[in-house]
Amino acid sequence: DTGVSQDPRHKITKRGQNVTFRCDPISEHNRLYWYRQTLGQGPEFLTYFQNEAQLEKSRLLSDRFSAERPKGSFSTLEIQRTEQGDSAMYLCASSQYASTGELFFGEGSRLTVL
Amino acid sequence: TQLLEQSPQFLSIQEGENLTVYCNSSSVFSSLQWYRQEPGEGPVLLVTVVTGGEVKKLKRLTFQFGDARKDSSLHITAAQPGDTGLYLCAGAGQGGSEKLVFGKGTKLTVNP
Repeated sequence: DTGVSQDPRHKITKRGQNVTFRCDPISEHNRLYWYRQTLGQGPEFLTYFQNEAQLEKSRLLSDRFSAERPKGSFSTLEIQRTEQGDSAMYLCASSQYASTGELFFGEGSRLTVL
Repeated sequence: TQLLEQSPQFLSIQEGENLTVYCNSSSVFSSLQWYRQEPGEGPVLLVTVVTGGEVKKLKRLTFQFGDARKDSSLHITAAQPGDTGLYLCAGAGQGGSEKLVFGKGTKLTVNP
């Protein structure tokens, strides 16, 4: 399978706990994006990497959120001290070209904070 | 701020009917994409339109980009139950940003 893969697919946690999601992009893609999607909404941009450099962050990404892409390949998104409002689908996408913005999405990691 | 408005939000039709969904903005985009998303899955790219006035066809789906590159439409001919899903439009290239801005989507249900 050469698509974008995300792990875990589902995560249930208690409020206040930390969670980490992993994304493995398509191997030849140097751009990697994290989006968040809540029920009834379209995906909302969180952050973007070109290779290992984090080039853009949304104001949605509070100081409890941190994303890394240490070697320019896989990426992790960590949420510290989770809140119920963090419950959402976290989508990772990768892209090869910037000019048309075409994204290839993974299946997402669904987070439920109790 | 939601920059892309999609309408209608929900659409339920019978198999064989035609439909059009819309994506509107007051902003200009360098390109616009349409995605289809099924429950519990990530969005899947259907098409990218780049040139103002551009029309692209994908089997029974016809996509159009407005002349001013601010709006787009998706027309489906003879809808089938397999067309059921959430249709999302996404704009790129706002203010030099790399990110895609998504609309809220149109949830389409095609009943057999």
